[in-house]
Amino acid sequence: NAGVTQTPKFRILKIGQSMTLQCTQDMNHNYMYWYRQDPGMGLKLIYYSVGAGITDKGEVPNGYNVSRSTTEDFPLRLELAAPSQTSVYFCATILPGLAGEQFFGPGTRLTVL
Amino acid sequence: RKEVEQDPGPFNVPEGATVAFNCTYSNSASQSFFWYRQDCRKEPKLLMSVYSSGNEDGRFTAQLNRASQYISLLIRDSKLSDSATYLCVVNGGGNQGGKLIFGQGTELSVKP
Repeated sequence: NAGVTQTPKFRILKIGQSMTLQCTQDMNHNYMYWYRQDPGMGLKLIYYSVGAGITDKGEVPNGYNVSRSTTEDFPLRLELAAPSQTSVYFCATILPGLAGEQFFGPGTRLTVL
Repeated sequence: RKEVEQDPGPFNVPEGATVAFNCTYSNSASQSFFWYRQDCRKEPKLLMSVYSSGNEDGRFTAQLNRASQYISLLIRDSKLSDSATYLCVVNGGGNQGGKLIFGQGTELSVKP
């Protein structure tokens, strides 16, 4: 039982490149979330999903897209990378039976140059 | 006004000290409250939930004042291993799909 896994751990992109951050959970939970965390700041919600086929915008969705074709996977897509997207990205789901308490993946550190 | 606001840090304390963190939130409809701990360059992990009556877990005590929309975390007998950033977290309130709002965090450094 791996919980929440994220790949890659690190990535450097050039301005204008695209990439997909992968997130997979093996807990069969409906709710999944993507956050970004800039240095010295709290986490900001990018997108979230309450189940397969359903996604919704969070606080900072611009420049990102998501899909949720299965319960397990919730990939985050950056189409045209910009330096402002340099951040640490965390994927999360809700802990079993504890509404609102989230369990995070290890994060992806992205640098856009 | 930020939705969740915490004491600005960092807090530098000696081992054995008692330290308190404060947090205020703006959405009166919020129903769930938490303290998360985040070690440097790692993912946040749940430290404890915060209940209306206050709750304690070993050296950690959490308090909630709904009328003032205020949450606190008290750490007694600080250990070196308590050094981390502490995040005050509040749920979005209402039908928010389990969304959580994070404070910016308060950094704690415990020195020998």
